[in-house]
Amino acid sequence: RKEVEQDPGPFNVPEGATVAFNCTYSNSASQSFFWYRQDCRKEPKLLMSVYSSGNEDGRFTAQLNRASQYISLLIRDSKLSDSATYLCVVNIGEGNKLVFGAGTILRVKS
Amino acid sequence: SQTIHQWPATLVQPVGSPLSLECTVEGTSNPNLYWYRQAAGRGLQLLFYSVGIGQISSEVPQNLSASRPQDRQFILSSKKLLLSDSGFYLCAWSLQDNSPLHFGNGTRLTVT
Repeated sequence: RKEVEQDPGPFNVPEGATVAFNCTYSNSASQSFFWYRQDCRKEPKLLMSVYSSGNEDGRFTAQLNRASQYISLLIRDSKLSDSATYLCVVNIGEGNKLVFGAGTILRVKS
Repeated sequence: SQTIHQWPATLVQPVGSPLSLECTVEGTSNPNLYWYRQAAGRGLQLLFYSVGIGQISSEVPQNLSASRPQDRQFILSSKKLLLSDSGFYLCAWSLQDNSPLHFGNGTRLTVT
């Protein structure tokens, strides 16, 4: 089993849609979780950290389910500019060793 | 504020040639430092991870090595490049445990 797994997509959605991505992780000792966004041929950029109680930043909501070992990202009212690859990142229990999922491609169309 | 510098932005090297990519961080002390590689159309693979000067963890067997000669300097090297070393190389830093990564702009390496 991979350490971090994501549905690769692509998710093709119209503007204004709500879309959700899930990410599963294998190490039950993982303590920190993040969502990154990567545009084509660019470096990944931090979108948001994921906290145990769930957290929201504008149109973006992240949640953590420790029992089932997955994190989720919900994007409401999708914009064309949300088109990107979304990367799930998890520390795998050895200090701050951070492992990436393969990414989920989102395409928002007008 | 903290900044990370990575160079060069692009590099074309022949098979069998050496490689040296450098990354420096400013504005923080004793960061964790990372080298990742992203092959075309693939996810990010952790290559090396360092928690301090001279402390390097190698995550995958490969043709590459890393060194950390100073607190905020991380160098990725190879003595002889292979075609399979082509990819997008990303340096990143973080504060200590449970902190997010901050990436440099990356180096796009093509081995011909």
